[in-house]
Amino acid sequence: QLQLQQSGPGLVKPSQTLSLTCAISGDSVSSNSAAWNWIRQSPSRGLEWLGRTYYKSKWYNDYAVSVKSRLTIIPDTSKNQFSLQLNSVTPADTAVYYCARRVGSTVGGYWFFDLWGPGTLVTVSS
Amino acid sequence: DIQMTQSPSSLSASVGDSVTISCRASQSIYKYLNWYQQKPGKAPKLLIFAASTLQTGVPRRFSGTGFGTDFTLTITSLQPEDFATYYCHQSFSFNDAFGQGTNLAIK
Repeated sequence: QLQLQQSGPGLVKPSQTLSLTCAISGDSVSSNSAAWNWIRQSPSRGLEWLGRTYYKSKWYNDYAVSVKSRLTIIPDTSKNQFSLQLNSVTPADTAVYYCARRVGSTVGGYWFFDLWGPGTLVTVSS
Repeated sequence: DIQMTQSPSSLSASVGDSVTISCRASQSIYKYLNWYQQKPGKAPKLLIFAASTLQTGVPRRFSGTGFGTDFTLTITSLQPEDFATYYCHQSFSFNDAFGQGTNLAIK
């Protein structure tokens, strides 16, 4: 069954590292036709794309400028999953975090997010 | 970065009505525009990709148009399950970006 399942703590202290994992069922993290993304949502910032990892003969990572210095996305082929690590968090990082698959249309190659995880509410507080 | 602006931010309608939501990009994104529906406590759900292509399984009362900078999502004959928040999303530039959302409420 095609799905993404998220795991990770819901509470992180300021200045610590936020770590989340997205387990993939029904597809492969090494797929040549998909990119694996992290997106977050908060009342103040709305939906915000954070970054992606994808495999095209080798691994690539793209990160949003807003979090590039603090974010690492790591694929794990042995467990068919990918992880987010966001360092030095502050209360502004409080949000619902989603993992999502981005694929391209067969005609035109238009990219879109067609599969989402259920979301994890992460609160940054001491 | 490309900015996405939706209008209106909220609207109310009745079952059976038709509504249109607009999305404007700060620069041309050709057809790299997608629409999602989100219900409380749930992840966004893809409705339309490439500005006008209906995702598999999405009812035909949903339709999308546009090219370049101006796009619209139209829902005809509103059903009770359509009351939700709708987001546009551009995937043209390196930094994917979403509109701020349009909350469709029942009148």
